[in-house]
Amino acid sequence: GESVGLHLPTLSVQEGDNSIINCAYSNSASDYFIWYKQESGKGPQFIIDIRSNMDKRQGQRVTVLLNKTVKHLSLQIAATQPGDSAVYFCAEIPMIYNQGGKLIFGQGTELSVKP
Amino acid sequence: GAGVSQSPRYKVAKRGQDVALRCDPISGHVSLFWYQQALGQGPEFLTYFQNEAQLDKSGLPSDRFFAERPEGSVSTLKIQRTQQEDSAVYLCASSPRLVSLRETQYFGPGTRLLVL
Repeated sequence: GESVGLHLPTLSVQEGDNSIINCAYSNSASDYFIWYKQESGKGPQFIIDIRSNMDKRQGQRVTVLLNKTVKHLSLQIAATQPGDSAVYFCAEIPMIYNQGGKLIFGQGTELSVKP
Repeated sequence: GAGVSQSPRYKVAKRGQDVALRCDPISGHVSLFWYQQALGQGPEFLTYFQNEAQLDKSGLPSDRFFAERPEGSVSTLKIQRTQQEDSAVYLCASSPRLVSLRETQYFGPGTRLLVL
């Protein structure tokens, strides 16, 4: 498969601190990227997205940065809260006709917020 | 409005049994996707539909896997003669418009399948 990760990287932060979760994507032809949050026993939940014609996009407490030169994506969460504890996945959609709109997920990162 | 719903939420099957997993997408969503998620990994693409047309089934692991969306709304993923390696969470997602527009996909809660 195209997603890897038998052992999820873990990021542990103190409540109130800022969190930065990184992701390296695989396909230089990808033009749309999404960050998802997945809590135990639930499906992935949309957080924020960005298209390749942008370098940065901000939402409520979250910012996504895109560096196309090195194929790197990051998610910044401001003032992290215990409710932010989850696994975070980046996903890309390649701009390749025969792959349509299928999402290719990166390795997830488990965020643990200590109160 | 209501999100994507899936049923059953949990399914235990004996090896060799056939199972059917149902997905109700967000009302009016044109595109529907199925993913398989193994424990500790990210979801992996299985197949997708645009209305009732199955445009890509390249991710289906074997010919035991079959998906349909006959009326362009509800979809069913069927697995015949289940094997232990089929144990996973099966996720359904939908998006509002054509697949080629590459939009956000909204996921359901998944069906957790355990094959004994």
